[in-house]
Amino acid sequence: QVQLQESGPGLVKPSETLSLTCTVSGGSISSYYWSWIRQPAGKGLEWIGRIYTSGSTNYNPSLKSRVTMSVDTSKNQFSLKLSSVTAADTAVYYCAREGMVTGGGLDPWGQGTLVTVSS
Amino acid sequence: QSVLTQPPSASGTPGQRVTISCSGSSSNIGSNYVYWYQQLPGTAPKLLIYRNNQRPSGVPDRFSGSKSGTSASLAISGLRSEDEADYYCAAWDDSLGVFGGGTKLTVL
Repeated sequence: QVQLQESGPGLVKPSETLSLTCTVSGGSISSYYWSWIRQPAGKGLEWIGRIYTSGSTNYNPSLKSRVTMSVDTSKNQFSLKLSSVTAADTAVYYCAREGMVTGGGLDPWGQGTLVTVSS
Repeated sequence: QSVLTQPPSASGTPGQRVTISCSGSSSNIGSNYVYWYQQLPGTAPKLLIYRNNQRPSGVPDRFSGSKSGTSASLAISGLRSEDEADYYCAAWDDSLGVFGGGTKLTVL
């Protein structure tokens, strides 16, 4: 059973770059789309973007200028970088797999990691 | 402002049937699959419905999804206390993911 685990600093200073990694276990990272989603406290879900294992990406237009995603198939990991962060980027960040059987539905999800932007 | 529109709240008593609506446009719901996610308090979202009306293994058949034109609905029959959660609809829109704002379901 595929499991995802987010990791990275829980505290990032304003104007710096947020960096997170999602490690995939129990299955191969290859031949799937992998998404990042975030959720500010008490608010809804926001799709950040996705990456295919070839490196092809799609980003949310509202974040596109600050987002970079990458994938390392040798480590079964994919990563998110969000630059020039502000307090508005404080949120729980989730990674998820876009399934073939689910026709694009996101399953499974990681447990999420809280990133706080503060000096 | 979410791309997909959901009511912020819904409620029902145990055993009742409740529905949650999701409205979009021709570029998302109108031309792509709809998905529903359930988020129990303090946990990550979980896929509840995919391809408009399909349930992943383990999801009770009390949950059902439907789609018509640019709108979709999630129905929960035989409401149970453990169904109290946030529910999100989602779709793809020209290779971009879009979510509804979420509906908080309260079981009275």
